[in-house]
Amino acid sequence: NAGVMQNPRHLVRRRGQEARLRCSPMKGHSHVYWYRQLPEEGLKFMVYLQKENIIDESGMPKERFSAEFPKEGPSILRIQQVVRGDSAAYFCASSPGAGDSYEQYFGPGTRLTVT
Amino acid sequence: AQKVTQAQTEISVVEKEDVTLDCVYETRDTTYYLFWYKQPPSGELVFLIRRNSFDEQNEISGRYSWNFQKSTSSFNFTITASQVVDSAVYFCALSEMNSGGYQKVTFGTGTKLQVIP
Repeated sequence: NAGVMQNPRHLVRRRGQEARLRCSPMKGHSHVYWYRQLPEEGLKFMVYLQKENIIDESGMPKERFSAEFPKEGPSILRIQQVVRGDSAAYFCASSPGAGDSYEQYFGPGTRLTVT
Repeated sequence: AQKVTQAQTEISVVEKEDVTLDCVYETRDTTYYLFWYKQPPSGELVFLIRRNSFDEQNEISGRYSWNFQKSTSSFNFTITASQVVDSAVYFCALSEMNSGGYQKVTFGTGTKLQVIP
């Protein structure tokens, strides 16, 4: 049973380009969470999605960031017109349900570097 | 709002010493979960433990042990006889249900542990 997959593991973008980060949840998991870890900091919640729905995006910057979790395929975190401050590790986690009895399983993260 | 405080930013110990990493949390819920994760230099998150708020029994797993004290809202982590491979950043985290009926996880800022040979 494969764990949460994220790709790419490392992504380098120039300022102004777009970054697309992919997260494939564990088999049977329909809940996905994205977190951002800025350098030397802890993980911060960004967005929570269920299949085809954004449930909570309270941690997402208002501009340039968007997330989706389509019926088929991975969840995508998209950052448009990246800036140096977007350089961070982006982790996704998946769970089989929403309640707190369901554990979130984390992927290995995508390290975004903006040059 | 929930909050996790890891007051120790960095700790250095000599190999074979014991070390305790502190974690203090704030929550208004009576039901919640506490976690510890290890983040080695390679960057991935390694799950160490998950503890339900109703289970205050201390836990031991090999050289690792956890002390959960609800009275002081603390969930401290001790590594006995530390090894160089224990060098990493350790995160404490808190999960609780929010008004929308789903869990939200709050992480502490992490404690960087360096074990010197």
